[in-house]
Amino acid sequence: QQQVKQSPQSLIVQKGGIPIINCAYENTAFDYFPWYQQFPGKGPALLIAIRPDVSEKKEGRFTISFNKSAKQFSLHIMDSQPGDSATYFCAASKGRKLIWGLGTSLAVNP
Amino acid sequence: GAGVSQSPSNKVTEKGKDVELRCDPISGHTALYWYRQRLGQGLEFLIYFQGNSAPDKSGLPSDRFSAERTGESVSTLTIQRTQQEDSAVYLCASSLVQGGNQPQHFGDGTRLSIL
Repeated sequence: QQQVKQSPQSLIVQKGGIPIINCAYENTAFDYFPWYQQFPGKGPALLIAIRPDVSEKKEGRFTISFNKSAKQFSLHIMDSQPGDSATYFCAASKGRKLIWGLGTSLAVNP
Repeated sequence: GAGVSQSPSNKVTEKGKDVELRCDPISGHTALYWYRQRLGQGLEFLIYFQGNSAPDKSGLPSDRFSAERTGESVSTLTIQRTQQEDSAVYLCASSLVQGGNQPQHFGDGTRLSIL
């Protein structure tokens, strides 16, 4: 059972565009929602994270929007650059383990 | 080193052989996680260790898989009698303390190929 559903599976945007990646979760007990970025041949790295007591969090060009009632959260990348081309994973947790989405492969064309 | 170190970076072996993968966590990190990532897929939790507590082995896919960790240091993941479906990247992560809401720092993984 996939507890965190991520979409789209892949995404192509032009430089300067604003890719949006969405995640939906089922367990209302989840209280921590991170996004990880993974480049080919590397392990994932924490990008930004949010807790359900806030609706939005920004760090540089990256923004998480959180909708608790809809049980959805999304990642927005402002002014996207070719260097942002990577796979992005959302995740959710309550306590010990992260539950991961299946990932979104993002390509930003020059 | 400053980050999580995994070795070997690549491993090719024949079906039926045993393999051992190693993870050196960040110094001082008490929690250590192993994940499996199949090509184009998400991360599949395998096992985690927290200090001297009993490990959570709930993600191990079969009894061919086992892992050990001594205290808060190196961990080894062993796969016995490897099968072709074991081909994947095995990722290790460590965090300062236990808990999903602590940032997990990943190594670059071991790419395992079973012929």
